[in-house]
Amino acid sequence: DGGITQSPKYLFRKEGQNVTLSCEQNLNHDAMYWYRQDPGQGLRLIYYSQIVNDFQKGDIAEGYSVSREKKESFPLTVTSAQKNPTAFYLCASSIDRRTGYTDEQFFGPGTRLTVL
Amino acid sequence: RKEVEQDPGPFNVPEGATVAFNCTYSNSASQSFFWYRQDCRKEPKLLMSVYSSGNEDGRFTAQLNRASQYISLLIRDSKLSDSATYLCVVKAGNTGKLIFGQGTTLQVKP
Repeated sequence: DGGITQSPKYLFRKEGQNVTLSCEQNLNHDAMYWYRQDPGQGLRLIYYSQIVNDFQKGDIAEGYSVSREKKESFPLTVTSAQKNPTAFYLCASSIDRRTGYTDEQFFGPGTRLTVL
Repeated sequence: RKEVEQDPGPFNVPEGATVAFNCTYSNSASQSFFWYRQDCRKEPKLLMSVYSSGNEDGRFTAQLNRASQYISLLIRDSKLSDSATYLCVVKAGNTGKLIFGQGTTLQVKP
């Protein structure tokens, strides 16, 4: 089955700890994205990557870091510098907009992070 | 002003009703427009793209008004299973990034 997987589904961490959220896709998509969703709000873009070994900051990148060493994987690290990390984190992928046929983004099931 | 604005609702309607959602966007250079559906505590999924000429998919009709910079979604003959949050999404013209509205919540009652 092709798709995007995120793990874990729920994550609890103590304040001050870094935590890494996993995102894997087997859709052969070039572009991958990380969003954050807070209650009653739309999705906000944290980071995105259009090709391996390259990524750009989104609108709310402070306190987060990413890597794109493989096409299939785009892990997100929430660092202790993120002031309010408790949120629903969504990973998405899409065909590269430079060459692709669609703007559609496919989402993983998300990770709910709670910082205690 | 938010880049993409929606009335958060909730819209409470009986089964069989027709309901319409509107969305406005601020960037006149926006190129592509979408409606996504998000069920409670789940990920968003594409419902339909919105084309300049308007498009229909079964009970769902989407329309775009570039002059007024708004997008609409019409749902006819509402079903209980239509209960969800509907996200208006706009692709920014100069960056290619998707901008999400906060969503409009629909509750269809028996």
